[in-house]
Amino acid sequence: AQKITQTQPGMFVQEKEAVTLDCTYDTSDQSYGLFWYKQPSSGEMIFLIYQGSYDEQNATEGRYSLNFQKARKSANLVISASQLGDSAMYFCAMRGFEAAGNKLTFGGGTRVLVKP
Amino acid sequence: EPEVTQTPSHQVTQMGQEVILRCVPISNHLYFYWYRQILGQKVEFLVSFYNNEISEKSEIFDDQFSVERPDGSNFTLKIRSTKLEDSAMYFCASSVKPGQPNYEQYFGPGTRLTVT
Repeated sequence: AQKITQTQPGMFVQEKEAVTLDCTYDTSDQSYGLFWYKQPSSGEMIFLIYQGSYDEQNATEGRYSLNFQKARKSANLVISASQLGDSAMYFCAMRGFEAAGNKLTFGGGTRVLVKP
Repeated sequence: EPEVTQTPSHQVTQMGQEVILRCVPISNHLYFYWYRQILGQKVEFLVSFYNNEISEKSEIFDDQFSVERPDGSNFTLKIRSTKLEDSAMYFCASSVKPGQPNYEQYFGPGTRLTVT
């Protein structure tokens, strides 16, 4: 079974500062993918960034970067230069490529509030 | 940009009634999913669908639930006899191909189901 843990239920961050959202995972799969999604108050799920378990470099997408530490089973999301529009729930998720099938398993989420 | 659409955006129904939630996945996608999110909780996998059959389902997806792809574009989730605990946001998602390690699941905007 796969498990995603997000230990920070909520965070405040000052506008223009960076924020790190923690994500740890557990899986028996050797090959898997890690995802981050943003959920604004309107409710939709917006894909942010992907990291494959065999990718040697940390993924980056604009202001988003993923700090992947495979040995520690962590995949933290870093948002640089926070903007007011970054205020949202953020979910870490994973997908195994072996026995687990194609479903995404989500963590409990972290609510981020950006202060002006 | 192609997107997943869902209708209705909000459905209110009485306990015991049947509901059908509709989704139009992205046209060239082959894998389809339903997830649900009870208010304030994490997103949970319900079912995945490929090649006109269920490929995986969770323990939540009991005999009260069914999925169908009635034509070339729609993908539906039916709840036969709704219960209060079925109240949640239901997300449809689709992806291009199974087996590709870095595919992204595109989520629809969700249908908020309220059972009274």
